[in-house]
Amino acid sequence: EVQLVQFGGGLVQPGGSLRLSCAASGFTFSSYWMTWVRQAPGKGLEWVANIHKEGSEKNYVDSVKGRFTISRDNAKNSLFLQMNSLRAEDTAVYYCARDGSYYGTGEFDIWGQGTLVTVSS
Amino acid sequence: QSALTQPASVSGSPGQSITISCTGTSSDVGSYNLVSWYQQHPGKAPKLMIYEGSMRPSGISNRFSGSKSGNTASLTISGLQAEDEADYYCCSYAGGSTSVFGGGTKLTVL
Repeated sequence: EVQLVQFGGGLVQPGGSLRLSCAASGFTFSSYWMTWVRQAPGKGLEWVANIHKEGSEKNYVDSVKGRFTISRDNAKNSLFLQMNSLRAEDTAVYYCARDGSYYGTGEFDIWGQGTLVTVSS
Repeated sequence: QSALTQPASVSGSPGQSITISCTGTSSDVGSYNLVSWYQQHPGKAPKLMIYEGSMRPSGISNRFSGSKSGNTASLTISGLQAEDEADYYCCSYAGGSTSVFGGGTKLTVL
């Protein structure tokens, strides 16, 4: 079965750090761009970051540049999001998603179950 | 990286058709035929319904269709069913290997 299973998340204080993980199975992980999307409570979806199949290119939404780092380990079929200097406005459910397009142009066909990150003192 | 504009809500009766619009700019929707649409039920992960403007993934009903004119993309759902009630999001490629979502539209089936 093609699936993405997420780990991590939880409660963290403002200024703190957290690392999210996403384990892929059922498909050739190294053949796909991967993406993180978040959804603040009661709000819409927001594209956060993506990473090239080989990890050679990474892109971020302006609001997280310099604070979040996306990475992947193709040998372990895993995607990560390291989140530093967290702010209250980063509070959201974070989803990992597979991009089914060849060039990473946004065709998110497989999604993880989502994990809640709460930034609060 | 401004969000695409969608109506906050739309509604329709079973069997009717509805259309959800998604307005961007010449830097995203207008420049690429790379709009995707997602359905999200409460507490669930989004589900891809349309990609590349009008293509349906395997298993998606042909009641769902997509189109684009200028800077505005549209999702049409025909023969509305109760299970179509959900939030719908558009997403467009925005260049530089980045994407941008719309604010979302809540569909109510009356």
